Amino acid sequence: QKEVEQNSGPLSVPEGAIASLNCTYSDRGSQSFFWYRQYSGKSPELIMFIYSNGDKEDGRFTAQLNKASQYVSLLIRDSQPSDSATYLCAVNKGGSQGNLIFGKGTKLSVKP
Amino acid sequence: ETGVTQSPTHLIKTRGQQVTLRCSSQSGHNTVSWYQQALGQGPQFIFQYYREEENGRGNFPPRFSGLQFPNYSSELNVNALELDDSALYLCASSLAPEETQYFGPGTRLLVL
Repeated sequence: QKEVEQNSGPLSVPEGAIASLNCTYSDRGSQSFFWYRQYSGKSPELIMFIYSNGDKEDGRFTAQLNKASQYVSLLIRDSQPSDSATYLCAVNKGGSQGNLIFGKGTKLSVKP
Repeated sequence: ETGVTQSPTHLIKTRGQQVTLRCSSQSGHNTVSWYQQALGQGPQFIFQYYREEENGRGNFPPRFSGLQFPNYSSELNVNALELDDSALYLCASSLAPEETQYFGPGTRLLVL
């Protein structure tokens, strides 16, 4: 079992719809969770982080964390063509080391 | 823009050669982490430097080595290059090892 798993997609949604991106992780002791957006040929850009169970909202983005189910998700409301990118889920196990463990990413395509 | 810079942007080397990649961290950040991202994969953790000391290492051979300077900039050195070392090399800086990481633009290395 991979440490962080994501559906590679592509996930295709129409403009204005809600895009739902999902991620599961294997280490129950993981402390913090991150979503990065990566445009083709570019480096990852931080969208959101979440540490506690529940929802965290920032503009059109909502991160959801369920530690009991070892599941983290990202919702993008009112999706725009500019949201088309690969979304990377990353997990930090915590402790004194800060290495992020990434999933392979989900490719999102928002159709006008 | 994250304030993290990397050089060079692109590099072409031949098998067996050595390469040095450079990273300048965001102002105020004392931690630098290096990642390798192969095409179609998520970034893989190489190592992290905190206050000039290595603070964790991923599953990479010893020919991958690093350094952090008193101004917290960092270098990644790769000896005896192999074809599989072709990838995007990402540097991320953070306020502390366990804090949120912000990525630079990356260096794309091609080994022929």
